[in-house]
Amino acid sequence: DAKTTQPNSMESNEEEPVHLPCNHSTISGTDYIHWYRQLPSQGPEYVIHGLTSNVNNRMASLAIAEDRKSSTLILHRATLRDAAVYYCILRGWRNNNDMRFGAGTRLTVKP
Amino acid sequence: GAVVSQHPSRVICKSGTSVKIECRSLDFQATTMFWYRQFPKQSLMLMATSNEGSKATYEQGVEKDKFLINHASLTLSTLTVASAHPEDSSFYICSARDRAGADTEAFFGQGTRLTVV
Repeated sequence: DAKTTQPNSMESNEEEPVHLPCNHSTISGTDYIHWYRQLPSQGPEYVIHGLTSNVNNRMASLAIAEDRKSSTLILHRATLRDAAVYYCILRGWRNNNDMRFGAGTRLTVKP
Repeated sequence: GAVVSQHPSRVICKSGTSVKIECRSLDFQATTMFWYRQFPKQSLMLMATSNEGSKATYEQGVEKDKFLINHASLTLSTLTVASAHPEDSSFYICSARDRAGADTEAFFGQGTRLTVV
């Protein structure tokens, strides 16, 4: 399976942008890059996903490197409610499109 | 977005009893459902994958006789923890998708916290 590497934790100040990195150097051409987050004591929730081009939605932006070996989830203005564990996941035919979670990045947002 | 509902949200049971957790897709037909387990301070670990009307596929190291999965309809999957013991205490989470494909969003239940005493 293609692996992802994320920092264990990051801190941000409220109202400031947050850039959450993810390395996936063994990504294949057909793997999609997915981001999910998990708030305390809840199931994960979808944030964004992409293949090659950068993506934007109401929650976040996803910047994908040209060689696709890394990506960055961007929260434009962090709020206290964004404090969560963020997971970067590769999904593709090699793993039956399953969702397999790594350790993720625990984001702390300071008021 | 689509909704996946899990019930109960928390359960406490005595050691040796069995516990059933339900996972329902409320507004879509889930061809595939997934069950995860999460211990404190750890990530989600995939336990098994189930397709409607067929036997579940279990991950290596997960005892199929202990974690019984039934996916009898396109909107309901159940996980039964048979003869639960304190080491089975964990946060169990289900996930569902309505179609295959790596570009699809996965929908998760709110989780069930199981405590075995």
